[in-house]
Amino acid sequence: DTGVSQDPRHKITKRGQNVTFRCDPISEHNRLYWYRQTLGQGPEFLTYFQNEAQLEKSRLLSDRFSAERPKGSFSTLEIQRTEQGDSAMYLCASSWPGQGLAEAFFGQGTRLTVV
Amino acid sequence: AQRVTQPEKLLSVFKGAPVELKCNYSYSGSPELFWYVQYSRQRLQLLLRHISRESIKGFTADLNKGETSFHLKKPFAQEEDSAMYYCALSRPGGSYIPTFGRGTSLIVHP
Repeated sequence: DTGVSQDPRHKITKRGQNVTFRCDPISEHNRLYWYRQTLGQGPEFLTYFQNEAQLEKSRLLSDRFSAERPKGSFSTLEIQRTEQGDSAMYLCASSWPGQGLAEAFFGQGTRLTVV
Repeated sequence: AQRVTQPEKLLSVFKGAPVELKCNYSYSGSPELFWYVQYSRQRLQLLLRHISRESIKGFTADLNKGETSFHLKKPFAQEEDSAMYYCALSRPGGSYIPTFGRGTSLIVHP
């Protein structure tokens, strides 16, 4: 599968623990997006990178959340001191330069459960 | 602020029946509108975008600026159309970060 890959696919953690997710975009894509999706809702934008630069962050991204894309390739999303409200599907997407998210490809997502 | 409303959480039809999934939006400018689809156990993928004015898998969607709507239609539903459908709005230019609706689950019965 040469699409966007996310790891892990599932994560169960205890409240208060830190978790880190990884996203590997399609190799030629320079834009990378993180979304969060809770049950019964559509994807909600969290943050977006162009190459290694984090260009926009949503207000949903509290100071417990941090995202990096150190070499403009893969990205990580870390959640510190997890809370039960963080339980959700975390989606990553990537797209070609110059194109909008409409041309982006989504990963399968990482499902986080905070117990 | 931009907002997308999909009033129906669930739409259930029989095979061969017409389908219309509703989407209304609020945005002060001229947005770009999209429909995304997620089949069972598959990833989210683009179905169509309004500027393309194309028909994908028999689906079409017309942007009605007067009614601020972008309803998705198909004249004859097929069982394989069963999926979650998300309407999304993006402000043109810049980072193209869409806002998604909550989604409508379409179930097509045999």
